[in-house]
Formats: sequence, structure tokens, C-alpha cells
Amino acid sequence: GEDVEQSLFLSVREGDSSVINCTYTDSSSTYLYWYKQEPGAGLQLLTYIFSNMDMKQDQRLTVLLNKKDKHLSLRIADTQTGDSAIYFCAVYNFNKFYFGSGTKLNVKP
Amino acid sequence: SQTIHQWPATLVQPVGSPLSLECTVEGTSNPNLYWYRQAAGRGLQLLFYSVGIGQISSEVPQNLSASRPQDRQFILSSKKLLLSDSGFYLCAWSVTRRQEGYTFGSGTRLTVV
Repeated sequence: GEDVEQSLFLSVREGDSSVINCTYTDSSSTYLYWYKQEPGAGLQLLTYIFSNMDMKQDQRLTVLLNKKDKHLSLRIADTQTGDSAIYFCAVYNFNKFYFGSGTKLNVKP
Repeated sequence: SQTIHQWPATLVQPVGSPLSLECTVEGTSNPNLYWYRQAAGRGLQLLFYSVGIGQISSEVPQNLSASRPQDRQFILSSKKLLLSDSGFYLCAWSVTRRQEGYTFGSGTRLTVV
């Protein structure tokens, strides 16, 4: 299987940048994802990156992939209170999606 | 457009009672279907996945079972609930175009008392 790890908590001030990190173990993972879960709700796909890419930017979101170190990060620019949620890293490998434990982002006004 | 429906949203059940959670997908055919459980403060655990009618793969041994009686219907069941079955259950679907990832249902909060 695949082990996907994330830190559990991150606290930032409104307007600052947030960086959420994720590591995975299987270098053959082809697609890597970031999901957002708001309280009491399901998961919402934020963005994804293919393993042959180093970076992907989508408005305030920037995904960085270091395939050598098997490290994925999500940067949220100008973090807002509405960004407070749990962020899950996920990797696709052998017809299955493997999720990290989620990073709870707390944005202080 | 594709939509996924999951119900009920909230459920409180006594220990030893049966369980049936239902998930249906609209707007697509032959989806891959998944059941996940999220325990309080923890990540997602894959319970079952299905690539077609009657095809169920179980990821972890447990008190639960899954069935797929129709192409776009996925049911999570238990004959006798345990306290440890409490959690947030999420249904999801995907297609073979992997870059689209999963689409999740809104979840069912199950509390076993």
C-alpha cells in the first residue's frame, strides 16, 4: 500500500500565506490531489497535479511536487477565514486513492 | 451533470441494531464506487470499493459489508452495530479518468449508543 502523511494542525493569520505539506511513500503514484473538508461536510476536490509536473497554480492555490523527495505541498495565498477547514492530501496508485490524515487549518482574524 | 446522493445525513443507532446506508450516483454509468469512514479527528479509511455490479472489494476486516445491487447504487450494511462503528461515512465515485479524482457525497454521521 501507500503511506500518506500530513501534519495535523496549522494556524495562520488572515492575509498570510498557508503552506500545507504532505509526504508519500510510493514513487509510482501518478496523480496527487488536494481536498478540502468543511465542518460536517464531504470532501471537495481543490486541485490535482500529475506526477510529471513540478508545479501547478490555480488562482490563490499553488501546488508544488518534489518527486525525488516524494513531497507535495499546497500553498494558499492571502488566506481568508473561509479557508478554515481540513485539507487532505491524496495519491492515486493501482486503482486506489490513498488519503493522508488531514491538516486542520485555523485562520485567525 | 453528475451528482452523488447519500442518506441519511445523521443517524443514531443502538448497539446491536442493523445498519443500512445508501449512496446513489446520477449522470454517469459504470462508476467506481467507494465507502470511506472518517473517525473523529482522524483521516479517511477506505472500507469498500466496487468497479461494477456485484463486485465488491473489502479493504479491512470489520463488522460491515457492502453491496452494489445496481450500477449506480452502493449500500453499506451491518447486521449488528458496535460502538466502534461510530464515525462519519463518506461515499464517493470516480471514473477511469484518474485526474478527476473522487467526487464525494455529503456524508452520514453515525453515532452508535
